[in-house]
Amino acid sequence: KAGVTQTPRYLIKTRGQQVTLSCSPISGHRSVSWYQQTPGQGLQFLFEYFSETQRNKGNFPGRFSGRQFSNSRSEMNVSTLELGDSALYLCASSLMGGTGETQYFGPGTRLLVL
Amino acid sequence: DQQVKQNSPSLSVQEGRISILNCDYTNSMFDYFLWYKKYPAEGPTFLISISSIKDKNEDGRFTVFLNKSAKHLSLHIVPSQPGDSAVYFCAASENYGQNFVFGPGTRLSVLP
Repeated sequence: KAGVTQTPRYLIKTRGQQVTLSCSPISGHRSVSWYQQTPGQGLQFLFEYFSETQRNKGNFPGRFSGRQFSNSRSEMNVSTLELGDSALYLCASSLMGGTGETQYFGPGTRLLVL
Repeated sequence: DQQVKQNSPSLSVQEGRISILNCDYTNSMFDYFLWYKKYPAEGPTFLISISSIKDKNEDGRFTVFLNKSAKHLSLHIVPSQPGDSAVYFCAASENYGQNFVFGPGTRLSVLP
């Protein structure tokens, strides 16, 4: 079974631009969560999508948004990029995103904002 | 305010010895905990989990201990192997598996 895939793997943008990252979950998984990892920080939860609906949201500004398609693929968008948005963005999938389920992570998209 | 803390940013252990990675949390509502291992340029890989109804869970060389009263969990790796060298994240959630909060990670180096 193929794992979680994320595209692109690397991205360089400038301040003020916007960016869209893509995540394809493991086949059959319907829950997709997004995380941000910055140097010296742990993983911070951005949001979770299930059945094309945002079910949970972390403490990030509205510049961070996402969506999920009917095939469970998810995209994350960051508008008006800031230098502090430079990070590794990870997506994780699980079957239903529920009780006791394990999340499986993709390799991440490394975003550099100049 | 960090709800999940891993106070040791790094740890070095000799091959064959025990590695003990520690994690503290502040939210008493957390009821499910995970450990992840992460190699450079890869996403985190699930290692082992424990729910708040247990105080110990074993899987091969990996054992996780949970002390709810101290809000502390630890991961023991015995025996440690060079391939275990990675960053280890502990994660916690309320509602038994949703909205994980991760610690900052501990970099483990297992020396041959």
